[in-house]
Amino acid sequence: AQSVTQLDSHVSVSEGTPVLLRCNYSSSYSPSLFWYVQHPNKGLQLLLKYTSAATLVKGINGFEAEFKKSETSFHLTKPSAHMSDAAEYFCVVSGPNFGNEKLTFGTGTRLTIIP
Amino acid sequence: EPEVTQTPSHQVTQMGQEVILRCVPISNHLYFYWYRQILGQKVEFLVSFYNNEISEKSEIFDDQFSVERPDGSNFTLKIRSTKLEDSAMYFCASSERIGEAFFGQGTRLTVV
Repeated sequence: AQSVTQLDSHVSVSEGTPVLLRCNYSSSYSPSLFWYVQHPNKGLQLLLKYTSAATLVKGINGFEAEFKKSETSFHLTKPSAHMSDAAEYFCVVSGPNFGNEKLTFGTGTRLTIIP
Repeated sequence: EPEVTQTPSHQVTQMGQEVILRCVPISNHLYFYWYRQILGQKVEFLVSFYNNEISEKSEIFDDQFSVERPDGSNFTLKIRSTKLEDSAMYFCASSERIGEAFFGQGTRLTVV
């Protein structure tokens, strides 16, 4: 069975400084991995996805993530935080690319941006 | 930009009542899902639906729950007899391909 572990429940960074949100995965298959963002009182928006192509994945709003199989990690980064980045971020894993696989969510990391 | 829409945004119901949560997936998508998020907890998978039938469901999705695609556009989640612990944000999602799901804004269900 697949799972993800988000190592930090809450991260605070100052505006203009780098963001690092950590995620480790466990999967018996070659996983597809995603990061979703949830702004207050909003739905879940797909930030980026990894599906066994390039290991460095670029997403929306300047975010990127690197798939590292040796470390079973898929950390989310951004070079310079913006106030609008304040939100809850979810690392998500799905199964192999056949069938109708469900998404398994991590517990989330709340990102706070300090002005 | 196409999006998944859910109605209502907030539903308050009495314990024991039936509720139907409605979703309009993105039009060319083939896979449909319901997830829920109890306040303060993680997002949990409920059910996936493909080719007019359930393809996978979680242990949460018991006999009190059902899903339906009554016409070519709507996708509904019915809870037959609501319990207090059914209070949660319910998210509908759809996808054209495996895994890349697009989520609606959610319906906040409050059971009193």
